Amino acid sequence: QSVLTQPPSASGTPGQRVTISCSGSSSNIGTNRVNWYQQLPGTAPKLLIYRNDQRPSGVPDRFSGSMSGTSASLAISGLQSDDEADYYCAAWDDSLHGRVFGGGTKLTVL
Amino acid sequence: EVYLVESGGGLIEPGGSLRLSCAASGFTFSTHTMNWVRQAPGKGLEWVSYISQSSGTIYYADSVKGRFTVSRDNAKNSLYLQMNSLRAEDTAVYYCAKIAGTTGADYWGQGTLVTVSS
Repeated sequence: QSVLTQPPSASGTPGQRVTISCSGSSSNIGTNRVNWYQQLPGTAPKLLIYRNDQRPSGVPDRFSGSMSGTSASLAISGLQSDDEADYYCAAWDDSLHGRVFGGGTKLTVL
Repeated sequence: EVYLVESGGGLIEPGGSLRLSCAASGFTFSTHTMNWVRQAPGKGLEWVSYISQSSGTIYYADSVKGRFTVSRDNAKNSLYLQMNSLRAEDTAVYYCAKIAGTTGADYWGQGTLVTVSS
């Protein structure tokens, strides 16, 4: 059972907009910034969003992040076939004194 | 270019010990906090340990507390994870990672597989 809660799966068709949610608590998302990662099979996670809504250089603006209260969201617009991957949210937890990850969301492009 | 290269993984029997290493290059290692993150086969990411720049602050996940020890050698640009009393549930790919905080600097190694089995 992950501290941050994500839906296990999400799907969309090419060109569509998909949103993945991440629910936490006051000790993690409510206090600290959220990162979002994309992981392709057999590879290390790649940072998509940091500080809730900031994109590292090189990440397309099709990816966007938002945060409200103790929840965060990752939105992917103009869905492409190579967006098919696992997506994870992460934040520092002040009560656990550690970083917590969501359980991951497997995105399928239909 | 930034590189994080883990080594030291392998097959180990339950109760055994293993030491993972992570060699860093391409960035100023000594000025960044570092982490170990693991991923069991077919499962999600699990944070394992955090170490501050000068090793003054260290945290562990409850699942490894008392069995794993993180350390670093800034002179050698290296991060370590000493794993003792290994269990089957410690089987995972172990990544060393500099995780983005205020800036978008986020670096991960390719991971090293640890398999705990008799």
